[in-house]
Amino acid sequence: SYVLTQPPSVSVAPGQTARITCGGNNIGSKSVHWYQQKPGQAPVLVVYDDSDRPSGIPERFSGSNSGNTATLTISRVEAGDEADYYCQVWDSSSDPQGVVFGGGTKLTVL
Amino acid sequence: QLQLQESGPGLVKPSETLSLTCTVSGGSISSSSYYWGWIRQPPGKGLEWIGSIYYSGSTYYNPSLKSRVTISVDTSKNQFSLKLSSVTAADTAVYYCARHEIVPYSSRLGAISYWGQGTLVTVSS
Repeated sequence: SYVLTQPPSVSVAPGQTARITCGGNNIGSKSVHWYQQKPGQAPVLVVYDDSDRPSGIPERFSGSNSGNTATLTISRVEAGDEADYYCQVWDSSSDPQGVVFGGGTKLTVL
Repeated sequence: QLQLQESGPGLVKPSETLSLTCTVSGGSISSSSYYWGWIRQPPGKGLEWIGSIYYSGSTYYNPSLKSRVTISVDTSKNQFSLKLSSVTAADTAVYYCARHEIVPYSSRLGAISYWGQGTLVTVSS
């Protein structure tokens, strides 16, 4: 089955740029989606199809995907961005096909 | 505005069957553009996909849970349901229902655009 690997934690100072990676075999050939989850809340989609933003998500959130790594970039980080972030793909290369989540990354705003 | 609401027992005994229902409001479960899914999250851990269903009844399941999972849909009630059999303490989790986009002209599922608030199910005697 397909595996997505995320760093357990990332720390950044307010106003700086946070980059959260999601590694997978040839992930650049898949569409990657990113979710933000704050404590006690359901996840929220922040980036879909590698780099598109749902309505209402600030432009500070962006994504890229190439080779074996997808990246969620949060510019001008704010205290309110502190949360867990998960990447997700649809694995069509395995049998059966299915949804795969990364293990999640805790973003700490220093 | 689309809303998804999970309902069901918050406590299930070991070896029994966990049953949850998701009621969809503000939109039709019979739309050809979406799949409807279940995702769970054990306390303090990450997200795990359980399975997803189309309004016609077509399903995808996580192979690690497939032998114990049944997902069904009731279009007349705008609901879909999860049954997980032979539960153990390892099945204790917050269970979310959700809506998946479908990638156009394919059978692939896209992003999860809507989530329910989640419901905690504890497996304990």
